[in-house]
Amino acid sequence: KQEVTQIPAALSVPEGENLVLNCSFTDSAIYNLQWFRQDPGKGLTSLLLIQSSQREQTSGRLNASLDKSSGRSTLYIAASQPGDSATYLCAVYPMNTGFQKLVFGTGTRLLVSP
Amino acid sequence: GAGVSQSPSNKVTEKGKDVELRCDPISGHTALYWYRQSLGQGLEFLIYFQGNSAPDKSGLPSDRFSAERTGGSVSTLTIQRTQQEDSAVYLCASSLNTYEQYFGPGTRLTVT
Repeated sequence: KQEVTQIPAALSVPEGENLVLNCSFTDSAIYNLQWFRQDPGKGLTSLLLIQSSQREQTSGRLNASLDKSSGRSTLYIAASQPGDSATYLCAVYPMNTGFQKLVFGTGTRLLVSP
Repeated sequence: GAGVSQSPSNKVTEKGKDVELRCDPISGHTALYWYRQSLGQGLEFLIYFQGNSAPDKSGLPSDRFSAERTGGSVSTLTIQRTQQEDSAVYLCASSLNTYEQYFGPGTRLTVT
């Protein structure tokens, strides 16, 4: 059974810091990996989708990398801002159980203080 | 264009009542998904529709849960005889040809 873990579970940083969120998955047989952001009481906002043939994706201050062989992905946030405060979720598209059924990580709750 | 919409945004119901949750996917998206987010279980897959194919119901937790998708567009998730453990946020997503999934704002269900 695919399990996705995110470390750290919570992170509190001052504004301006660069930070790294980690996502690990137990079964390397995945198609894509997607990073989401969730604000309190809200749905999921897609941040980056890394397709099976890619190793990283960038959008603005965000950069996500994927190493399928080691079962890891990292989300790098540059020059963090208070508006980045949210819960960040990674999700994998597994090959073996139906790639449509996303398997989500446990989440990292980020707080950026001004 | 418009994103995925869900209604109601919040629903409070008494234990034992039936509830219906609605999802309007992005226009033209052929695939539609339901997920549940609860404190104890995190975010988990419930059911998936692709075009006119039979839905994949493998994530439904019990036979009290059912879903339908009419005309390849709007979907309704029905929970019969609600229990307190059904309290959660129910999220709907849609995608084009089972590619990147786009999520709605969710319905927060509270069973008292």
